[in-house]
Amino acid sequence: DTEVTQTPKHLVMGMTNKKSLKCEQHMGHRAMYWYKQKAKKPPELMFVYSYEKLSINESVPSRFSPECPNSSLLNLHLHALQPEDSALYLCASSPVGNNYEQYFGPGTRLTVT
Amino acid sequence: LAKTTQPISMDSYEGQEVNITCSHNNIATNDYITWYQQFPSQGPRFIIQGYKTKVTNEVASLFIPADRKSSTLSLPRVSLSDTAVYYCLVGTLMNYGGSQGNLIFGKGTKLSVKP
Repeated sequence: DTEVTQTPKHLVMGMTNKKSLKCEQHMGHRAMYWYKQKAKKPPELMFVYSYEKLSINESVPSRFSPECPNSSLLNLHLHALQPEDSALYLCASSPVGNNYEQYFGPGTRLTVT
Repeated sequence: LAKTTQPISMDSYEGQEVNITCSHNNIATNDYITWYQQFPSQGPRFIIQGYKTKVTNEVASLFIPADRKSSTLSLPRVSLSDTAVYYCLVGTLMNYGGSQGNLIFGKGTKLSVKP
């Protein structure tokens, strides 16, 4: 199974809302990633979890809060977002030994109103 | 960190072979070259990865010259469904996600395949 799933597919939220994005993989990968992608731009790395521990935070504002409850799940908690945070949020995972061989989910299209 | 440069866009016709070149002049000794394909509103898909010479899989071939300062992704006999953005990434493979400032997607090459 080489599938990474993400829920929800679409999310519309107000600037005062709290919501969460979810990601799941069952490939036994121990590194998981969150990316943000704006229209017609490349994906930008936000966070990396390795063995369920946060290993990289690419200077992401604190209104984005990642969580890795276990080796298969990755969450991104959202609070007090701004309209400019509207984007496609992508989750990915990679096998031990190769962080460049990533398997991406379909993404969550987030709109902040 | 090796920076990559790719053509912004390329056009092709169905059935042709397409070669997309990526320039990475300051590639480090331990760096690998990885290519991804991305369709609109979908996550990128891993295509191929290599270190030197030639790598081939069921989807594409990757050609890397001896100096490794560039690489070429070759897609044989493209179809309309190959219309996508192709990204070249360069970096050292790591076990646990990598290090700060790693895993940088460049602007990519938008390939348009016409009938």
